Amino acid sequence: AQTVTQSQPEMSVQEAETVTLSCTYDTSESDYYLFWYKQPPSRQMILVIRQEAYKQQNATENRFSVNFQKAAKSFSLKISDSQLGDAAMYFCAYSSFNDYKLSFGAGTTVTVRA
Amino acid sequence: DTAVSQTPKYLVTQMGNDKSIKCEQNLGHDTMYWYKQDSKKFLKIMFSYNNKELIINETVPNRFSPKSPDKAHLNLHINSLELGDSAVYFCASSQEVVRRGYEQYFGPGTRLTVT
Repeated sequence: AQTVTQSQPEMSVQEAETVTLSCTYDTSESDYYLFWYKQPPSRQMILVIRQEAYKQQNATENRFSVNFQKAAKSFSLKISDSQLGDAAMYFCAYSSFNDYKLSFGAGTTVTVRA
Repeated sequence: DTAVSQTPKYLVTQMGNDKSIKCEQNLGHDTMYWYKQDSKKFLKIMFSYNNKELIINETVPNRFSPKSPDKAHLNLHINSLELGDSAVYFCASSQEVVRRGYEQYFGPGTRLTVT
């Protein structure tokens, strides 16, 4: 089974600043997918960004970008120009190429200071 | 329009009772899932159905029984509820997109409290 590790239980960032969340994973597969999900206090799970392992280019969605290091099995999320609405728990997730299920990390709680 | 909906959003019940949670998706997806989020916020897959066929059944007590009457619905029935079943249960759906994987869309969750 794949293991996804988020080593930062909590992160705090000043509004308008940048914060980076770390995620590492363990897999023997060469083709897979990685995701970051956001869970605000409303508890709704929202897909933030997706990365296909075969792509070397890092994914970007507006203020959210990832640093995907395949050899290091690392998949960090950068939130730029942080906004109060970014305050949430962020989950890193892994899905293998032929597998339906998502394996989640333990999550990182992001607090945004005004 | 809500893409993935769950009812109810909150469920408080006593130990030993039987309860059901319903899930519906209007995205036209062919795969649906149930996840459990425990008190520490850890998310774990429970079941998955693809075209009404059970394809994932993780180590879940057999008191939990999913049922998929059609591709748009996946219900979760829980018998003889126990205190440890208290959690948030999420329904999700996906459709395989070539080279994009099974991007999953989640419902709002059902907070189950067993007293």
